[in-house]
Amino acid sequence: GAGVSQTPSNKVTEKGKYVELRCDPISGHTALYWYRQSLGQGPEFLIYFQGTGAADDSGLPNDRFFAVRPEGSVSTLKIQRTERGDSAVYLCASSWGSKGYNEQFFGPGTRLTVL
Amino acid sequence: TQLLEQSPQFLSIQEGENLTVYCNSSSVFSSLQWYRQEPGEGPVLLVTVVTGGEVKKLKRLTFQFGDARKDSSLHITAAQTGDTGLYLCAGEWSGTYKYIFGTGTRLKVLA
Repeated sequence: GAGVSQTPSNKVTEKGKYVELRCDPISGHTALYWYRQSLGQGPEFLIYFQGTGAADDSGLPNDRFFAVRPEGSVSTLKIQRTERGDSAVYLCASSWGSKGYNEQFFGPGTRLTVL
Repeated sequence: TQLLEQSPQFLSIQEGENLTVYCNSSSVFSSLQWYRQEPGEGPVLLVTVVTGGEVKKLKRLTFQFGDARKDSSLHITAAQTGDTGLYLCAGEWSGTYKYIFGTGTRLKVLA
C-alpha cells in the first residue's frame, strides 16, 4: 500500500509570504504528527492530531503556524508571514494511534526555503 | 530545548568494527524508539522498547532500555557500509503519544 506522502517536496518562498504544506497519511491511520527538522538535528515536535482534533499543539513555535485535519485524513500545515528561520524540512508521520507499539510512518518531508 | 542527548554526534568507523550509540535524558519515558534516517527521506523505525531493562536484538543491532527508562543504547556488531545513516532515538512522554527526538548520531561506515 501507499506510504505517507507530502507535497510539495520542495518549496521556495520569500520572507513574509504564506505557505501551505500538505500531508497524506496512510489510509486508516488515526494519528498524524508534524515535525520540523533543521540540518543536522533530530526532528522537533510541532503538533499531533488524533482524528480531526489537535490533541497536542504545544510544539508550534508561535501563532504564525497553524495546522488542520478537517476530515481526519489529509492534513495541512499553514505558515503565515514566513521568516528565514522557518527554513527547514517539515516531516509528517502517521500511526494507528494505539498504546504501546505506536510505530510512526514518516513521509519524505517538504524542504521549505525562505529567502 | 533538546531533552534527549545522543552521543557521539558523529562517528566514522571501518567496516567490521563494533560501535555503541547512547541516548540520555533526565526525564522518564513510557517507551523509546530508535529510527534510522537516510538523506532525503523520513526516519524509519528500527525498534520500540517499553520495559525498563529491556533488551531487543535485530540481526546485528542490539537495543537496551535503561532500568529507569531514562536512557537507551544501540550497539552494532560488525558494522557494514549499509549501516551508514543518521540514527535517532525518540522518547514518548508518559503515554501521551507525544514523541521527543534526540539530537541524532551520524554514522559513516567505510569500506
